[in-house]
Amino acid sequence: DGGITQSPKYLFRKEGQNVTLSCEQNLNHDAMYWYRQDPGQGLRLIYYSQIVNDFQKGDIAEGYSVSREKKESFPLTVTSAQKNPTAFYLCASGGGSPISYEQYFGPGTRLTVT
Amino acid sequence: KNEVEQSPQNLTAQEGEFITINCSYSVGISALHWLQQHPGGGIVSLFMLSSGKKKHGRLIATINIQEKHSSLHITASHPRDSAVYICAVIGGGADGLTFGKGTHLIIQP
Repeated sequence: DGGITQSPKYLFRKEGQNVTLSCEQNLNHDAMYWYRQDPGQGLRLIYYSQIVNDFQKGDIAEGYSVSREKKESFPLTVTSAQKNPTAFYLCASGGGSPISYEQYFGPGTRLTVT
Repeated sequence: KNEVEQSPQNLTAQEGEFITINCSYSVGISALHWLQQHPGGGIVSLFMLSSGKKKHGRLIATINIQEKHSSLHITASHPRDSAVYICAVIGGGADGLTFGKGTHLIIQP
């Protein structure tokens, strides 16, 4: 079945450690996105990539890094520089830029940093 | 930057009731998403619309571009409709999608 997978569903880390969240899609979409969700707030865009080997910062990119070496994969690294990393992280993919196309969302990863 | 406001924030209704969730935004857009998020976090896209009205089963979404307003309606609501409904707008700035905070809907049997 076509879709977006994120792993793991729950992730626990100690403060000061970098952690990488996985996102894979087999929808043949060019664009992929990472969002963060905090209680009582709307989803916020961290990074997006419209094409392989290219990515752009979103609203809250500080403390995060991404890579896009393959069309299917868009991993997000939460670095120790991210001040409040505990959140729910959603990956999405779509046909093109964020302003043009429908987006499909993965199941999310809930990250807890203590 | 676009400001997206949803109302109500929380809504509890009885099974069978007609439900309306509203979304307004401050800057002109290319299109608008209605999304559904169930407990556990997964998000499903219900509609993407740029004008008029769309219908899928018991769900209806409308948008008025001039008034910068969209509504999501659920007819004959059912407990399985209980979820958070999120409005997101596309365009109107360089920041991609902008999301509302969501409406938490509970349908009681």
